[in-house]
Amino acid sequence: DAKTTQPTSMDCAEGRAANLPCNHSTISGNEYVYWYRQIHSQGPQYIIHGLKNNETNEMASLIITEDRKSSTLILPHATLRDTAVYYCIGVGVGGANNLFFGTGTRLTVIP
Amino acid sequence: DGGITQSPKYLFRKEGQNVTLSCEQNLNHDAMYWYRQDPGQGLRLIYYSQIVNDFQKGDIAEGYSVSREKKESFPLTVTSAQKNPTAFYLCASSISPLWNTGNTIYFGEGSWLTVV
Repeated sequence: DAKTTQPTSMDCAEGRAANLPCNHSTISGNEYVYWYRQIHSQGPQYIIHGLKNNETNEMASLIITEDRKSSTLILPHATLRDTAVYYCIGVGVGGANNLFFGTGTRLTVIP
Repeated sequence: DGGITQSPKYLFRKEGQNVTLSCEQNLNHDAMYWYRQDPGQGLRLIYYSQIVNDFQKGDIAEGYSVSREKKESFPLTVTSAQKNPTAFYLCASSISPLWNTGNTIYFGEGSWLTVV
């Protein structure tokens, strides 16, 4: 199973792109990388996931390095409502019992 | 309105009492999960169920019990054996339990349990 490491906190100016890095150096070939975010006292919200290709949806983009040992979540135009804790999750073979959430990155969007 | 419903949102328990947290989903998902989150910490898996009438222990199952009698329901009982139960509890579900197929897990809004 892939353990992930993320910076504890980051700031981003409103309207600018927020780039959140994640290291998952132990990831194996069939493990997806998932990103969720959590606003205080709420359930985590799904953002995006990927295996080896870059992915984009209406919320964000996910850039995965070629060796798959790290990835970056990009919020293209951060708003104040994007202030949250962002979790990069590695998922192991077999599913639920190999999830690793860690403590995430606290992103603060500054007006 | 589709999704995962947890109740109650806030619950106070006296020491020595058992309490049950409700989790219902109308997403027709096979797999359901319970996580615990302590302040400033990540999520830790308590129990999960891949199918009706089956469930497996997670990393921190001691002091907790679950049942899965119906596909849409996965209640969690916090027993008096759980020594430090004050935490934020999250229920989740996914269409199937195999995350390496790229399935997505969805979370409820959580339940705060406080022991008084």
